[in-house]
Amino acid sequence: AQKVTQAQTEISVVEKEDVTLDCVYETRDTTYYLFWYKQPPSGELVFLIRRNSFDEQNEISGRYSWNFQKSTSSFNFTITASQVVDSAVYFCALSEAGEYGNKLVFGAGTILRVKS
Amino acid sequence: DTGVSQDPRHKITKRGQNVTFRCDPISEHNRLYWYRQTLGQGPEFLTYFQNEAQLEKSRLLSDRFSAERPKGSFSTLEIQRTEQGDSAMYLCASSLLAAPTDTQYFGPGTRLTVL
Repeated sequence: AQKVTQAQTEISVVEKEDVTLDCVYETRDTTYYLFWYKQPPSGELVFLIRRNSFDEQNEISGRYSWNFQKSTSSFNFTITASQVVDSAVYFCALSEAGEYGNKLVFGAGTILRVKS
Repeated sequence: DTGVSQDPRHKITKRGQNVTFRCDPISEHNRLYWYRQTLGQGPEFLTYFQNEAQLEKSRLLSDRFSAERPKGSFSTLEIQRTEQGDSAMYLCASSLLAAPTDTQYFGPGTRLTVL
């Protein structure tokens, strides 16, 4: 069975600090996809990134970067120079390549509070 | 390009009443998903449509829940005889069928409170 664990329930940082959100996943499939979503106070889940299991290259997008390591089944997310607008709940999710769609299995989320 | 929309945004109902939620996906997206999110948890999959066909249902979807997507565009989720345990945020997502996988884009959700 698939499972996603986000061990950090809540993280508080001061603006401009770097912060890393951890994500560990379990799956028996060799082909799978990992996602990060952001949920601001408004409630709408915002897609941030998708990675497939065959691509372990790290990715950087502005202040955001992702580190995917199959050896440790982890897909961590780092925000550099955090800003107050980064305050939100962040979810890591996993889907397996299915014949009929790709339901997402989410972790419990990490609440990030960035203080000015 | 408009995003996924959901209506209503908030619904308060009394136990035992029926409620219906609507989801309008991104135009031309042929896949539509429903999830439920309770406080402090990540969303949990409920059901999924490809065009008008409902292809998968979670065990979370009891017989009091029914979902439709009659013309392959908007979808409705109905809960009959609501219970307090049904209180949650109901999220809809849509995606475009594409190899090797699809990326789901979420709506703002409908927050249901059952008194």
